Amino acid sequence: DAGVIQSPRHEVTEMGQEVTLRCKPISGHDYLFWYRQTMMRGLELLIYFNNNVPIDDSGMPEDRFSAKMPNASFSTLKIQPSEPRDSAVYFCATSGGLGLGGYTFGSGTRLTVV
Amino acid sequence: DAKTTQPNSMESNEEEPVHLPCNHSTISGTDYIHWYRQLPSQGPEYVIHGLTSNVNNRMASLAIAEDRKSSTLILHRATLRDAAVYYCILRDTDQGAQKLVFGQGTRLTINP
Repeated sequence: DAGVIQSPRHEVTEMGQEVTLRCKPISGHDYLFWYRQTMMRGLELLIYFNNNVPIDDSGMPEDRFSAKMPNASFSTLKIQPSEPRDSAVYFCATSGGLGLGGYTFGSGTRLTVV
Repeated sequence: DAKTTQPNSMESNEEEPVHLPCNHSTISGTDYIHWYRQLPSQGPEYVIHGLTSNVNNRMASLAIAEDRKSSTLILHRATLRDAAVYYCILRDTDQGAQKLVFGQGTRLTINP
C-alpha cells in the first residue's frame, strides 16, 4: 500500500496565482480530510469528505479556498487567488471510518506564496 | 470538541520509559482518546487509541484513568526516533462526527 499520496511536495507561487493541491487516498478509505499547518496556528482542519461528499467545510478560511472530490480516488484543494498568508504545509489524511483505527496522513505539500 | 491539556514539552533519555500525560476533564462517555505523533518534516502518524480500557500495541501503551479524565501514553523504551510532537485528541463518535481537532501537543526530546 502506497499510503496517502500528495502532490506536489513543494510549491512556490506568486501572489494572485491559482494553486491546486492534489491527494490520492488509500483505496477503500471513505473519509478524506484536508488540514493546514502553520507555526502560529498549528494543525487546522479545513474540510472533510465522506464517500466523496463534503460533510464539514467550516474550517475553510474564505471563498478563495475550494475543495473537490470527484471520485473515490482523487481530491483537490484549490486556492484562487493565492496570498502570502496562505503559505503553510497542507496535509491530506484518510480514514476507514468509525472503529477502524486512526487517520493516515500524506507527506504534505509545502506551499510558499511570494 | 472536548478539550485536552498537555505539557508543552518533555525530555527523556534514550532507552528509558517515557510517560506522556493528557488531561481531559470534560470527556464525554462517547469520546475515544486518540494519540498521534508528528516527526520532524512529516505528517502526523497514528499511535494508539482507546475508550475505557488500557491498550497496547507495537508502538506504545495507553493507560486510561478509571474516571477517564486523564490518560497517559507510555513509550516503554524511548529511542532517538521517538523525538516528535505528541498529540492527545478526543474523538466524539456519538454524533457521527469524524473530525480530529489537534491541539498544540507535547514536544518530546530524547537525549542520547
